[in-house]
Amino acid sequence: DAGVIQSPRHEVTEMGQEVTLRCKPISGHDYLFWYRQTMMRGLELLIYFNNNVPIDDSGMPEDRFSAKMPNASFSTLKIQPSEPRDSAVYFCASKRRGDTGELFFGEGSRLTVL
Amino acid sequence: SQKIEQNSEALNIQEGKTATLTCNYTNYSPAYLQWYRQDPGRGPVFLLLIRENEKEKRKERLKVTFDTTLKQSLFHITASQPADSATYLCALEASGNTPLVFGKGTRLSVIA
Repeated sequence: DAGVIQSPRHEVTEMGQEVTLRCKPISGHDYLFWYRQTMMRGLELLIYFNNNVPIDDSGMPEDRFSAKMPNASFSTLKIQPSEPRDSAVYFCASKRRGDTGELFFGEGSRLTVL
Repeated sequence: SQKIEQNSEALNIQEGKTATLTCNYTNYSPAYLQWYRQDPGRGPVFLLLIRENEKEKRKERLKVTFDTTLKQSLFHITASQPADSATYLCALEASGNTPLVFGKGTRLSVIA
């Protein structure tokens, strides 16, 4: 299996622009998580899905952030409009329902908002 | 409020020594505790999981302990090598299908 695939790996944009980050989870995994990592705050959960349904989005910082999972093999995280404080590494991770084991992370999307 | 603290941001040790990293938590009752390794520019990678009713878990040169009374986990790397240099994250899980909550990590440097 190719693992969790994220794109783009790097994104540099200007304040006010729309940013879309993409994730393909591991096939057969029921849960998908979006985390954001910064030096100051570490890894923070933004939102997670179970069987494509959003379960908890309380970590989404503002209405400027939205996430969708239209099918089991694809999810997007959108920021509109972007702000410099959104600069961070965004990780997608997946796991299989019932597993008490590991989360499988993608390599992350490093976002820089100028 | 709930909090996870890893003992230090950075830890330097000599090659061959045992590295010990600490994870303390407050206001949690985790069912599971996990440790991850993260290399620069990469996503975290799972290392070990320990359940609340387990005291210790081992995997090769790694050992994890879990003390629910002290609300603490210790992560040991024996016979450390420069290749063990990375950031190590602890994470708590309330039950099997709830999201992991992560500490900020400890950056370990093993000096040859």
